[in-house]
Parts: sequence; structure tokens; C-alpha cells
Amino acid sequence: DQQVKQNSPSLSVQEGRISILNCDYTNSMFDYFLWYKKYPAEGPTFLISISSIKDKNEDGRFTVFLNKSAKHLSLHIVPSQPGDSAVYFCAASLDNYGQNFVFGPGTRLSVLP
Amino acid sequence: DVKVTQSSRYLVKRTGEKVFLECVQDMDHENMFWYRQDPGLGLRLIYFSYDVKMKEKGDIPEGYSVSREKKERFSLILESASTNQTSMYLCASSPPTWGAFFGQGTRLTVV
Repeated sequence: DQQVKQNSPSLSVQEGRISILNCDYTNSMFDYFLWYKKYPAEGPTFLISISSIKDKNEDGRFTVFLNKSAKHLSLHIVPSQPGDSAVYFCAASLDNYGQNFVFGPGTRLSVLP
Repeated sequence: DVKVTQSSRYLVKRTGEKVFLECVQDMDHENMFWYRQDPGLGLRLIYFSYDVKMKEKGDIPEGYSVSREKKERFSLILESASTNQTSMYLCASSPPTWGAFFGQGTRLTVV
């Protein structure tokens, strides 16, 4: 049973519009969440993180929102650019020590010019 | 700049072969990890190591072993490769705070 779920395997968005990627988790003890971005034939690269004590973290065009009561987080990209086309993985951990992150299955984002 | 290097980008091996996947990091991180990525399943942890000669099983250790003789190097070993081990393998290293830095991945095909 997956502890971290990304229910949309793929998403298409027009360039310049907002992309919203969703992630749900089942373990209420998860304390730290990250988003990774992965291009084909490359390793994932870290994008943005959020601790459970916050409900929002922003970094440039990327914002992550956390709703602990709903066990839901989302990544907003605005404005979306064609270079954002990639697979996005949501990850959760019981702590922030870098050990044993649980990853979601990923969502493939396509930003159309 | 952070660097995690996996020895091969693409590998093709025969069923029953012993396969070594090597990973080297240059950041002096204590923690290192091996994941495999499969469509629809995301990244699943095979093994991790939090120090030299230390190892812990992840979620899917069956059919794999690891070796950490030096801090910078973490090897994943497939004792007898099988076709269901065809996958993308990703190595990562992590500082004691948060997150992980990934290598570029090794696409292994077992025929």
C-alpha cells in the first residue's frame, strides 16, 4: 500500500499558466516533504521542501502548500515554462535527517508552448 | 558543486550474471542510498548506509546486496541478475540535515 500517492500520472498545461501537482499521504507522522524534478535519463534534482510546521514555502516560481489535516500537499508552478516539462516526485519522511524518504509514483508534467 | 557519480549510464547483462553498480560522492556525506525507479511505482529504497561498513535494508532488498568500504563509495550488487531487476537504478547521498542528491541513474536491462 503506497504511503505517498500522486493520483495524476500526467498533466498538460499551457505555457504561462499555472501548473498544480498534487500529492497525498497516509502516514500522519510524516514530518518533512520534498518535491523532486526528473528529466529523462537523468537523476532527480531537488526542487523545494516543506516542514510540517509550515503550511507554505515559496521559491521563485515554485510554491509548495501543505494541508496537514487533509494529509495533502501541492506544488504550484507559475508561470509554467516548457523547460518545466519533467516528472515530478513528491517525497515524505518521518524526519529531516535524509533517511528513508518515501517517494510517490510521480506525475509527468508537459508544458505546451 | 555537489556530485554523485554512477559508473554506468546503461548496462545490459544476462540472467544469472553478477552485476555491480558503483556510486561515488564527493561531498563527504555519511548517508548513501540505492533506489530503483519503475513506472507507476516511483522511487523505492533498496538499501541505505549511514556510515562506512554500515548498511540497512530498505523496502525492497531481496535479490540485492551492498558494500560500503569507503565513505565516498556505495556499491549495489545483484548476486544473480534476473529479468525483473531490469530498471533504472539511482544512487543518492545525503547530508545529516535533509534531502538527497542523486546520481544520473543507471538503466539496467537484464536479458
